[in-house]
Amino acid sequence: GQQVMQIPQYQHVQEGEDFTTYCNSSTTLSNIQWYKQRPGGHPVFLIQLVKSGEVKKQKRLTFQFGEAKKNSSLHITATQTTDVGTYFCAGPPGTYKYIFGTGTRLKVLA
Amino acid sequence: DTAVSQTPKYLVTQMGNDKSIKCEQNLGHDTMYWYKQDSKKFLKIMFSYNNKELIINETVPNRFSPKSPDKAHLNLHINSLELGDSAVYFCAVQALNTEAFFGQGTRLTVV
Repeated sequence: GQQVMQIPQYQHVQEGEDFTTYCNSSTTLSNIQWYKQRPGGHPVFLIQLVKSGEVKKQKRLTFQFGEAKKNSSLHITATQTTDVGTYFCAGPPGTYKYIFGTGTRLKVLA
Repeated sequence: DTAVSQTPKYLVTQMGNDKSIKCEQNLGHDTMYWYKQDSKKFLKIMFSYNNKELIINETVPNRFSPKSPDKAHLNLHINSLELGDSAVYFCAVQALNTEAFFGQGTRLTVV
């Protein structure tokens, strides 16, 4: 079946350092979404990318969708302690089905 | 008003028991999901419903039975609970190809 892998699985950074998580799908995706889950919380939608090669920014967060629409990345510039959590990508291999990536757990050390 | 509400938030029960988790949404979206999140934080899709109809059943044991009495509700009933069922279960709601809204989760502990 379709798989969506994320690397790294864990990342510890010093506050102020940059962070990047990569998402790779075994199949082409019509779109990709990113979610953030704070410790003890539920996943919360961050953004959706639809076009091949698309880049979107939200303040310190930069999201990119690969040209082949099989991979994506999320880059955080100058991390803050509020960035702590698990970041998931998610994509639809079909209608009414979103597969979540394996997630990257980010810890930010003050 | 919470968009997607799940009850209960915590559930501790003994092996062999039967339990239910309820999910209600007020967004009016057609698609509802159940996801299971294990201790490693992997989010696995279990079921997908569209307009009260079961669309996807991802090789979940038949001890798990979802029920959608109407478009606003999707419940999950689990029979004969096993230790391996311990996890956080999330209900999510989505309109086609838009963002998914998650409930707060139900932390199920089977002892």
